[in-house]
Amino acid sequence: AQTVTQSQPEMSVQEAETVTLSCTYDTSESNYYLFWYKQPPSRQMILVIRQEAYKQQNATENRFSVNFQKAAKSFSLKISDSQLGDTAMYFCAFSPGSQKLVFGQGTRLTINP
Amino acid sequence: GAGVSQTPSNKVTEKGKYVELRCDPISGHTALYWYRQSLGQGPEFLIYFQGTGAADDSGLPNDRFFAVRPEGSVSTLKIQRTERGDSAVYLCASSFPTDTQYFGPGTRLTVL
Repeated sequence: AQTVTQSQPEMSVQEAETVTLSCTYDTSESNYYLFWYKQPPSRQMILVIRQEAYKQQNATENRFSVNFQKAAKSFSLKISDSQLGDTAMYFCAFSPGSQKLVFGQGTRLTINP
Repeated sequence: GAGVSQTPSNKVTEKGKYVELRCDPISGHTALYWYRQSLGQGPEFLIYFQGTGAADDSGLPNDRFFAVRPEGSVSTLKIQRTERGDSAVYLCASSFPTDTQYFGPGTRLTVL
C-alpha cells in the first residue's frame, strides 16, 4: 500500500523565520511524483512545489525548497523568510504518474507576527 | 485563464436525499479527479476520469456514489440515499495527462 505520513500536526514560527515540514512516504514504485500543496481557510488546494523522483536535484520555487531523500523516502519542505500569508494547512502528496494523489494528514502551519 | 470551478459551494441536505455535485475543469484538461476531505483529514481519492471514461473508480466507498463525465469536460458526482457520514468537502481537480493536478474550491456537503 502507498502511504504518506506527516508527523507534525501543528507548527508555529515567527514571521521571517525558516521552517521545515516533514514528510515520509512508502511505495514500491520506482518512478513517481511528490508534491506539497497548501490549503488556506478558503479550502482551495494550491500547489506549492513538485518533485519528480527520477530527478536528483531538489526542486525550488522562490522561498520554497524541498529536501528529497529517495533512499530514505523522505520529502521535507523548507519555507524561508516566512510570511503571514504562508499560514495554512500543508499537505504532502504522492502520485505514481498520471493517477490519483495519496495525501498525508497535513500540518497546520501558523506564522506569527 | 479560468481555474477549476465547483458548484454549489455549499450543500445542505437531509439524510436519505439524493445530491449532485458539479465540477468544471480547466479548459483542455483531459484528466479529472474527485476527492473527499473529511474534517481534519487529508483528501482521499474517489475516482479518476481520462476523457469520458472512468479510468480508476477504486476510491468510491459504495454503490451509492456514482460519477459521470459524458462529454469529457464537466463532471457530476452523484450520491444517492445520503448518510450523515457522507458529510465532507468534495474536491475536484483536473490536469493534462501525467501533469500536476489543479484543484477547485470544493463543495461542502452537510447531511442532517
